[in-house]
Amino acid sequence: SYEMTQPPSVSVSPGQTASITCSGDKLGNKYVFWYQQKPGQSPVLVIFEDSKRPSGIPERFSGSNSGNTATLTISGTQAMDEADYYCQAWDSSTALFGGGTKLTVL
Amino acid sequence: QVQLQESGPGLVKPSETLSLTCAVSGYSISSGYYWGWIRQPPGKGLEWIGTIYHSGNTDYNPSLKSRVTISVDTSKNQFSLKLKSVTAADTAVYYCATIGRQQLVWLSLDPWGQGTLVTVSS
Repeated sequence: SYEMTQPPSVSVSPGQTASITCSGDKLGNKYVFWYQQKPGQSPVLVIFEDSKRPSGIPERFSGSNSGNTATLTISGTQAMDEADYYCQAWDSSTALFGGGTKLTVL
Repeated sequence: QVQLQESGPGLVKPSETLSLTCAVSGYSISSGYYWGWIRQPPGKGLEWIGTIYHSGNTDYNPSLKSRVTISVDTSKNQFSLKLKSVTAADTAVYYCATIGRQQLVWLSLDPWGQGTLVTVSS
């Protein structure tokens, strides 16, 4: 079965750039979606179709996907960005999630 | 603006059936989106359970397929989840979500309901 791998944790200083990766076999051939989940809240879509931002999502959130790796980049990271982030893709008609990455803003 | 709200018992006994409903507002469930269930065990990641279209067509997570049934009630603008023979491992927050699909391409899960915690315990 298809699997996607994320680092369990990433740390970043305020104002710096955070990069969260999601790896899978030929992942670049699939659309990747990224969700932000803060404690006690539902996941929120922050990037769709690899690199598009939904309305209301700050411009500091961006995404890319090529080869075997998709990357969520947060530029000028703010304290409010501290959260768990999940990548998601589809394998046929099955939705798959990465294991999630806890972003800590130190 | 689509809004979803999960409801159902918060406590289910082992070996019994978990039953949840997702009420959809702000959009007719028959109008074109797909609808899905996702769960998250405490402190763990997200797991897709299954997807349904208003026609009743479904797709299920292979690991849960033998125990899961998702159905839709267009007259009530809601869809439901049944998970039978539950164990403690099925304890989780259960979310419903809207799922996009365009020209046979599956798209994002957006938005999500607020989630409901279901605990399996005697």
